[in-house]
Amino acid sequence: EAGVAQSPRYKIIEKRQSVAFWCNPISGHATLYWYQQILGQGPKLLIQFQNNGVVDDSQLPKDRFSAERLKGVDSTLKIQPAKLEDSAVYLCASIPPAGPYEQYFGPGTRLTVT
Amino acid sequence: GENVEQHPSTLSVQEGDSAVIKCTYSDSASNYFPWYKQELGKRPQLIIDIRSNVGEKKDQRIAVTLNKTAKHFSLHITETQPEDSAVYFCAASWSFQKLVFGTGTRLLVSP
Repeated sequence: EAGVAQSPRYKIIEKRQSVAFWCNPISGHATLYWYQQILGQGPKLLIQFQNNGVVDDSQLPKDRFSAERLKGVDSTLKIQPAKLEDSAVYLCASIPPAGPYEQYFGPGTRLTVT
Repeated sequence: GENVEQHPSTLSVQEGDSAVIKCTYSDSASNYFPWYKQELGKRPQLIIDIRSNVGEKKDQRIAVTLNKTAKHFSLHITETQPEDSAVYFCAASWSFQKLVFGTGTRLLVSP
């Protein structure tokens, strides 16, 4: 089966600009996650979707970050405006609907904010 | 909320030695503890996991132990090989679906 797809793989922007990331999970995976992984740290959950509904967005900086998952498949994560501290790898992951609970990660988008 | 601490941050071993990485968690309700391996520039991948009703689980050269009383769990890699070099993340979850990751351990296996 095809894995989790993400694009772009790399993005460099200046602070205060906006950026969007795209994720296509494994077919049939209803639960989708966006993580932020700062260099040298573990992935930090930003938002969890179940189909097209938000399950948990408690750690999403909602003043600048937004995410949506229209039609319960693809998802986009947007940052507007970006700050220097947003430089990180943004990982998308998904899990199958009935277990097991391994999270399948995409390759990530490496964002550099200058 | 859950907090996971992981030690050491860096671990260097000689090929053939054993490696042990330890994690502690704060939420006694956590019942699922996976370990992910992330090679340089690649995505994290699950290597082994354990549920709270089990004290130990093995898969070839990899094993995980869980001490619920002390709220800590450990990854054991025996007969390490250069291809084991990577960053290893532990995680804890009370819902199977929402993971809180540790800060990672960079393992370097020297030939």
